[in-house]
Amino acid sequence: NAGVTQTPKFQVLKTGQSMTLQCAQDMNHEYMSWYRQDPGMGLRLIHYSVGAGITDQGEVPNGYNVSRSTTEDFPLRLLSAAPSQTSVYFCASTRTAWNSPLHFGNGTRLTVT
Amino acid sequence: QKEVEQDPGPLSVPEGAIVSLNCTYSNSAFQYFMWYRQYSRKGPELLMYTYSSGNKEDGRFTAQVDKSSKYISLFIRDSQPSDSATYLCAPATGNQFYFGTGTSLTVIP
Repeated sequence: NAGVTQTPKFQVLKTGQSMTLQCAQDMNHEYMSWYRQDPGMGLRLIHYSVGAGITDQGEVPNGYNVSRSTTEDFPLRLLSAAPSQTSVYFCASTRTAWNSPLHFGNGTRLTVT
Repeated sequence: QKEVEQDPGPLSVPEGAIVSLNCTYSNSAFQYFMWYRQYSRKGPELLMYTYSSGNKEDGRFTAQVDKSSKYISLFIRDSQPSDSATYLCAPATGNQFYFGTGTSLTVIP
């Protein structure tokens, strides 16, 4: 049971480039989400999904795009990378049942130069 | 006012000490409460989970919730060097999760 798997672990981009951060879970969780973690800022929600075909914005959605075509996968796309998007990105999932805790992947460290 | 306030530390204690980590929150709608442990360069790992006021114990760890004061605590007994990590409190309601900024703990052998 792998849990939440994120790829790649590390990525360096130049300003203006685009890329997709991959997230997959094998726990049949309906709810999936993306966070970014910056020093002193804690975890901030970017986008989330309560099921296949349903996505919504979180606290800091600008510059990011998501889609959810399957229950297992929830990729995060950076449309045109900016240095302000340098961060550690975490994918997390849970059941949509009430009172269910989040389970996190091990993150993608992204540097935009 | 932030939804969750957590002292960032850093906190440094000798091995064997009792550690107390604390958070306050402002939203009375929060119904369940989690503590996550995050080692350097890893994702947050669920450590404790409770949905009521009072204490929940798991080995050396005790989570305490006081809903009337909106106060959450995590106690670590007989702390070990392997407990050195950042600890995040996370109150939640439904699928809405709110995270403290984390307290960095170092346990010195």
